[in-house]
Order: sequence, then structure tokens, then C-alpha cells
Amino acid sequence: QITLKESGPTLVKPTQTLTLTCTFSGFSLSTSGVGVGWIRQPPGKALEWLALIYWDDDKRYSPSLKSRLTITKDTSKNQVVLTMTNMDPVDTATYYCARNLIYLTAGAFDIWGQGTMVTVSS
Amino acid sequence: DIQMTQSPSSLSASVGDRVTITCRASQGISNYLAWYQQKPGKVPKLLIYAASTLQSGVPSRFSGSGSGTDFTLTISSLQPEDVATYYCQKYNSAPLITFGPGTKVDIK
Repeated sequence: QITLKESGPTLVKPTQTLTLTCTFSGFSLSTSGVGVGWIRQPPGKALEWLALIYWDDDKRYSPSLKSRLTITKDTSKNQVVLTMTNMDPVDTATYYCARNLIYLTAGAFDIWGQGTMVTVSS
Repeated sequence: DIQMTQSPSSLSASVGDRVTITCRASQGISNYLAWYQQKPGKVPKLLIYAASTLQSGVPSRFSGSGSGTDFTLTISSLQPEDVATYYCQKYNSAPLITFGPGTKVDIK
């Protein structure tokens, strides 16, 4: 069974740095063609892609947020970590991590975590 | 940058109706297009990838078509459990991944 689960703070203050961890099971991030990405969704709004890391440690970011994001992986722990600096109330959203299979599903996210709601407020 | 648009933004249809949602890319993206269903309060679910391949376990009333810039998601016979917001997503060129704005589907 393939699962992903996000963890991190539910509340952060403006200007703080957010660190989210995606812990997954049932697949390996060292397998060719596998990636894990982060997507967020503000309340009542659309999905927004943030970042993606591949099996070979290639990293891609949303251009509009690139300066604030860092994505890393720990293959031995089956974890992917996203950090976002200088948090603002507009960053309030549910943050999802999801598996991406670039060869098998042409870059679609086939399995998603349950999501974690992050509120940015003083 | 490649932009993704969806139409309509919302629709209301009767049970059993054929429903079509359109997704358009501002530049060609070959077949690197996926469709997701998100029911209220739930996690997005992959329906279609590579523009027309049905994800395992997804009912056959869902189908996708298109290539290049114009894509469609069709529900052949709308069911009450299909009430959801549907998103398209591209994977190709810069930016690497973009989601469409979504189409909300309700039952009339």
C-alpha cells in the first residue's frame, strides 16, 4: 500500500519559515522516474504546484515562489522536506505532498497525502 | 510561461447527462495533461493521465481526449457522486507543472 503523510506546524507567524515533512511508504524515491511534489490549496481556491524533487535529486520549483522554497529528500528515511521562508497570511492553505511518476503517468500525481492545514497569523 | 484555462468555471447538469469540461494550454504541451477530481473537503484524486489514459479504478464513464493545446474531460452519464471540482494539470515546459483554475460540477 502506497501512502504519503504531511506533518508540520499548523500555525506559523508572519515572516517565519515553514518546514513541512512528507513521510511516505510503499515506494522508493531512489527508483528511476519517481518524484515527490508539494501542492497547496488556499481555502476555497484552486490547487497550486510548489515544488518537485526527483529520484536523481533534480529539483524543480514554481517560478513565482522559487526564491522562498527549498525541497530536499532523505531516501533512507523515506521523507521529503519542504521549507518556505518569509511566510505571509496569503500562504494560509492546505499543503499536500504527492507522488509523481514522470515516465508512467506523464507527470501526473497519482497518490496524494491527506494534506495539512497551515495558518499564517500573528 | 504556459497558462492553463478551463471552461466552464462551473456547470449544473442532471443525473444521466453527458458533461464535457475543456482545458486549454496557451502553448502546445503534447499529451502531458492530467485530470483530477476533488470532492468537497477531500483530497484530489487522479482520474486521467497522458490526456486520455484512465487511472486504475476510475469508472469508465470518465474519459479524456486531446493533444497539443486543447483537451476535454467527458463524463458520459453524470452521477450524484460526481459532484466535485475538476482540475486539469500540465506537465511540460516552463513552468513545469501548472493546474487549471478548476470547474465545479453540480447536480441540477
